[in-house]
Amino acid sequence: AAGVIQSPRHLIKEKRETATLKCYPIPRHDTVYWYQQGPGQDPQFLISFYEKMQSDKGSIPDRFSAQQFSDYHSELNMSSLELGDSALYFCASSKRDYLEQYFGPGTRLTVT
Amino acid sequence: GDSVTQMEGPVTLSEEAFLTINCTYTATGYPSLFWYVQYPGEGLQLLLKATKADDKGSNKGFEATYRKETTSFHLEKGSVQVSDSAVYFCALKNFNKFYFGSGTKLNVKP
Repeated sequence: AAGVIQSPRHLIKEKRETATLKCYPIPRHDTVYWYQQGPGQDPQFLISFYEKMQSDKGSIPDRFSAQQFSDYHSELNMSSLELGDSALYFCASSKRDYLEQYFGPGTRLTVT
Repeated sequence: GDSVTQMEGPVTLSEEAFLTINCTYTATGYPSLFWYVQYPGEGLQLLLKATKADDKGSNKGFEATYRKETTSFHLEKGSVQVSDSAVYFCALKNFNKFYFGSGTKLNVKP
C-alpha cells in the first residue's frame, strides 16, 4: 500500500538559509499534518491542512510557512534557519473522518 | 487543554519480561486513544488504538484498554522481545487534533 512520502530525507543547511520540505500524502487523504521532533523529544504539532486550507496551527514559528496544493501535497517553507531548527520533521496524512493518521519517514534537517 | 502524560524512560527489561508503560490523559469530550512506536531513524507507526471507553486495542502481542474512569490507556505486553526495543508514544485525538506524550524508550536485553 502507498505510504506518505517525504522529500528530501536528509537536508543540511547553514544558518540564515531557507529550506523547503515536501510531503505527499496517501492517495485520497485530504488532511496533512506537520510535526517537528527535536532529539529525544515528542513530536510537536506545527500546522495542519484540510482540503488545501489551513485547519489548525500549533507551535509553528513565524519564519515558517506551509501550504497544501491542489494535488494535496504539502510544502513546509522555512526561512532564516537557526541552529535550533535542526530536527526531524514529520508529515502525516489522514482522511478527516478517519481515526488515525499515517506518518511519513521524516526529513532530518541539520542546520550548521 | 488536552494532554497526554506517560511514564518517563528509559525502561530496561530482559527478554520475555512483562511490560507496562503507563499513560494517562486529560481531555474534554470523548477522545480516541493511540499507541505509536518509533524505531531509530524512522517515522511513527501506529501500534494500536481504541475509540471508546472499555475498548481494548491490540496488535503484535501489545494491548491497551481505554479506561475512562481512570483516564488511562496503559500499554502492556506479556513477553517482550529484543525487537520491541523502540520509543513508544501514547497519543489522543480530539476534535481532529492530535496530542502526543513525551515518549518512553524501551530497551530489551537478550
